Amino acid sequence: DAKTTQPNSMESNEEEPVHLPCNHSTISGTDYIHWYRQLPSQGPEYVIHGLTSNVNNRMASLAIAEDRKSSTLILHRATLRDAAVYYCILMDGNEKLTFGTGTRLTIIP
Amino acid sequence: DTEVTQTPKHLVMGMTNKKSLKCEQHMGHRAMYWYKQKAKKPPELMFVYSYEKLSINESVPSRFSPECPNSSLLNLHLHALQPEDSALYLCASRRLDRGTYNEQFFGPGTRLTVL
Repeated sequence: DAKTTQPNSMESNEEEPVHLPCNHSTISGTDYIHWYRQLPSQGPEYVIHGLTSNVNNRMASLAIAEDRKSSTLILHRATLRDAAVYYCILMDGNEKLTFGTGTRLTIIP
Repeated sequence: DTEVTQTPKHLVMGMTNKKSLKCEQHMGHRAMYWYKQKAKKPPELMFVYSYEKLSINESVPSRFSPECPNSSLLNLHLHALQPEDSALYLCASRRLDRGTYNEQFFGPGTRLTVL
């Protein structure tokens, strides 16, 4: 699986937007970009995924660069419950989720 | 029912013990997974079952023995573990529908300590 690079940690103020970057310069044409997050003391949970176009759902938005070598997960209005480790994962449709080190997001009240 | 349950929540065992971890889901998902997560590290895939058959074994030592007795249940049998096997063991499941992406649903995990 292609590798992703994320900052180890980020901080954001409560009720402000958060932009979590992910670099994936070796992405192949069939790789989907997935985001999962892991809240403290919980298992990971799915956030969003996309291939080429930007995507929105009730949790977040995913902005994908035109060359697909990077993407950004956008939380529009962060709350304290969004404090978690966020994982950007590339998957080509097989069954395997290969987690990288992720970004630990801290929300400041 | 939209959750994956895991029992027990915590388990302490000696190196000579035999124990089992249990995972259950009633969402009709036909893929089930075991992951291992050490402290401050990301989850690592161990096993994948598809339609109750083992489809992926990530070179896991034989002291870990998975079992999928039916489409709702996944077990992980543990025998002769080492202290370095202490970790959070996560179970996940996923619907298998052709042509659509189906995300994995994770349980809360079993925290295992091997003494």
